[in-house]
Amino acid sequence: QVQLQESGPGLVKPSETLSLTCAVSGYSISSGYYWGWIRQPPGKGLEWIGSIYHSGSTYYNPSLKSRVTISVDTSKNQFSLKLSSVTAADTAVYYCARHVIGSSGYLYYFDYWGQGTLVTVSS
Amino acid sequence: DIVMTQSPDSLAVSLGERATINCKSSQSVLYSSNNKNYLAWYQQKPGQPPKLLIYWASTRESGVPDRFSGSGSGTDFTLTISSLQAEDVAVYYCQQYYSTLLFTFGPGTKVDIK
Repeated sequence: QVQLQESGPGLVKPSETLSLTCAVSGYSISSGYYWGWIRQPPGKGLEWIGSIYHSGSTYYNPSLKSRVTISVDTSKNQFSLKLSSVTAADTAVYYCARHVIGSSGYLYYFDYWGQGTLVTVSS
Repeated sequence: DIVMTQSPDSLAVSLGERATINCKSSQSVLYSSNNKNYLAWYQQKPGQPPKLLIYWASTRESGVPDRFSGSGSGTDFTLTISSLQAEDVAVYYCQQYYSTLLFTFGPGTKVDIK
């Protein structure tokens, strides 16, 4: 059974960098699939942040691209998110998820999700 | 960007009755080369992450009860719960994956018991 678990600080100060890690168990990141980050502000909808392959290939949401870095550590079977220059608008539950990929390399939907972690941006 | 809209924002249905949720995309998500609609549906219960219900607009994920069905093509899609159960109370989201430049979700539809 594929399981994902987010971890990281629950409180980040404005203008600082948000850093989260997603540990994957039950499946080797190196075996395939992309691995993504999605966020959900309190009481609001879902926003895709970006996704990464075990090779390091990434796709980012254009609206966040200038502030986002997603990296992968296959030796630890985990991937990470960094979001710089955060503001209160970045307060959200952050989810990591497995991003299904087709044989053509096309990215599709998200089939396994972590439980999510709330990150609050406040001084 | 492909913008996803959903209707209604919320609905209340009696136990055992049908619930219908609509999702509309700002441009077609039907890929002509394989005749597949690049659309998924998720269920999110309070305090939980989204759960994949349906992909390719009408293919149920393994383990999803058959009272959940998806239909539609092009820009207009529907998620139907044929006989609402108490455990189906949740917010339902559609997501398009036609555009790999930006994966977008609908705003969600909240389903409650009447």
